[in-house]
Amino acid sequence: DVKVTQSSRYLVKRTGEKVFLECVQDMDHENMFWYRQDPGLGLRLIYFSYDVKMKEKGDIPEGYSVSREKKERFSLILESASTNQTSMYLCASSFGRNWWQAGANVLTFGAGSRLTVL
Amino acid sequence: ILNVEQSPQSLHVQEGDSTNFTCSFPSSNFYALHWYRWETAKSPEALFVMTLNGDEKKKGRISATLNTKEGYSYLYIKGSQPEDSATYLCAPQSWGKLQFGAGTQVVVTP
Repeated sequence: DVKVTQSSRYLVKRTGEKVFLECVQDMDHENMFWYRQDPGLGLRLIYFSYDVKMKEKGDIPEGYSVSREKKERFSLILESASTNQTSMYLCASSFGRNWWQAGANVLTFGAGSRLTVL
Repeated sequence: ILNVEQSPQSLHVQEGDSTNFTCSFPSSNFYALHWYRWETAKSPEALFVMTLNGDEKKKGRISATLNTKEGYSYLYIKGSQPEDSATYLCAPQSWGKLQFGAGTQVVVTP
């Protein structure tokens, strides 16, 4: 019954490494999102995508990039990991069509990827 | 970036007691208000989406109200149970994007 799958639950990387976080959804959703969650700060939007090959910056895009080559897959890339990117990363998707209908924007989340950068 | 405030940050409730907490947000550019429940070791799950001023939604013992004119929403838990322990996140929606608050952590003790 899993609908949004994140490739890794836990990762440990070294400063300067390139990190890939993968997310796949099987609901034919248009929209996909990457958030990070830090204590006391809530979920902050890093990047999102409304369509294949399309990407938009969220509130905290610095140090990250994304790729959406297929509708079901949205990847988050840390080109050169730093210790301040240690966090919980959550992928989410939403139906997206007819965005003016509130239900179209309800998010389905993955289980999260906890990244530690040493 | 919308300024979304949730209060309190955390609260402890005895089993059987009722409780409520607040989400405050800017009332301009508002489209909808989402509530999510995030249990430990699980993914956040959608509870409610509300759009109209005065909206009230209910799911079992949990209900929520919305005031778009003054920019706040209340979430109520009636007769709290240990399984209600979670962090409750609110997220006002502006166009197609959600802006999350930091959440209210609820701990229900038997």
